[in-house]
Amino acid sequence: GIQVEQSPPDLILQEGANSTLRCNFSDSVNNLQWFHQNPWGQLINLFYIPSGTKQNGRLSATTVATERYSLLYISSSQTTDSGVYFCAVIVSGSQGNLIFGKGTKLSVKP
Amino acid sequence: KAGVTQTPRYLIKTRGQQVTLSCSPISGHRSVSWYQQTPGQGLQFLFEYFSETQRNKGNFPGRFSGRQFSNSRSEMNVSTLELGDSALYLCASSPEAAYRGRHEQYFGPGTRLTVT
Repeated sequence: GIQVEQSPPDLILQEGANSTLRCNFSDSVNNLQWFHQNPWGQLINLFYIPSGTKQNGRLSATTVATERYSLLYISSSQTTDSGVYFCAVIVSGSQGNLIFGKGTKLSVKP
Repeated sequence: KAGVTQTPRYLIKTRGQQVTLSCSPISGHRSVSWYQQTPGQGLQFLFEYFSETQRNKGNFPGRFSGRQFSNSRSEMNVSTLELGDSALYLCASSPEAAYRGRHEQYFGPGTRLTVT
């Protein structure tokens, strides 16, 4: 089956720093989403980005589907950005369930 | 629009019991998917319901079952609970069937189940 690999697994930043999270996937996909899991466990939608580039405030994301990777950029990080970031994909031609990576745990220190 | 809601938020059960979790999707959404999150296995797909029919099922034993009602609300049931069923159970809603792959999925806050 498809492999979804996220890197780095852990990231510690000082408030105000920038970061890049990466998601590699091993098969063709027609859906890719980035989520932020808050301390209470809810998955918050960040981006729906099967291809191209999107920006939302301090966050932006780029997916290069032909090269099978996606990047999530966080600029001027804040302590509230702490948590786990997940990438999830739906394989092209599959029954449509999201397949998640193991996540990147981000800690932003004041 | 109200988001995806799940009830109850927390649950403690004893091994061997059964449990029913509920999920109400975003208004107008017709697909509900269920996922299990554990520290060891991460986020894993359980099943998807669309138009009251199970469209897709993950690799879980038959003790895990679900259903969807005509108003798109969904329930999942776990019978004969085991310690390993302790997990966060998340449901997601989408406007159309997930296999179409081109609709964003939105998650509820989850139900945290502890089996003792």
